[in-house]
Amino acid sequence: AQKITQTQPGMFVQEKEAVTLDCTYDTSDQSYGLFWYKQPSSGEMIFLIYQGSYDEQNATEGRYSLNFQKARKSANLVISASQLGDSAMYFCAMREGVWGNQFYFGTGTSLTVIP
Amino acid sequence: EPEVTQTPSHQVTQMGQEVILRCVPISNHLYFYWYRQILGQKVEFLVSFYNNEISEKSEIFDDQFSVERPDGSNFTLKIRSTKLEDSAMYFCASGNRDGFNQPQHFGDGTRLSIL
Repeated sequence: AQKITQTQPGMFVQEKEAVTLDCTYDTSDQSYGLFWYKQPSSGEMIFLIYQGSYDEQNATEGRYSLNFQKARKSANLVISASQLGDSAMYFCAMREGVWGNQFYFGTGTSLTVIP
Repeated sequence: EPEVTQTPSHQVTQMGQEVILRCVPISNHLYFYWYRQILGQKVEFLVSFYNNEISEKSEIFDDQFSVERPDGSNFTLKIRSTKLEDSAMYFCASGNRDGFNQPQHFGDGTRLSIL
């Protein structure tokens, strides 16, 4: 089974609107972290936001928030007030286990912000 | 803000040749990683490195690959006898602590093209 599943290959959003990018995960570990990265067309990977398995509140970082539903094993990224510069690939990733080494990445969602 | 730097940004090599991809992690980080991303696919873990030895590696990281920290600042990935299917973007990442709740900071990547 895939560790991280992103079911939306492409999404469009109107500038200034909010958008939700879906991510579901699969792990049997109690300790895990969920991360979102942004990859613009230039290729670099930019860390956006983190949610830990023991965190009771949803993570927020500026215009980014994470809708964490542990029972459903989902960690959706919400971008509020979309900007043209938000157009990029977005990857959901997970580290599992107390000393989890590697990141498991999803296949990504390509977000296009329309003016 | 400190960042992970990778050189070169683009490497073109003939099949069968050896390549060395270079990375300078963030200076106080102790954990180092290599990932690759074949065009249009998800990011895949290759190897993690701590205390001058490999701590974890994936199935992709076979005898063709090796990593080294030749001095206090550089972290290299060597690919021997390159194949066409080695063409990909290679990302270096670093972290100052290990564990499921720690982000990894990625460099801008080296795009490797094998001819």
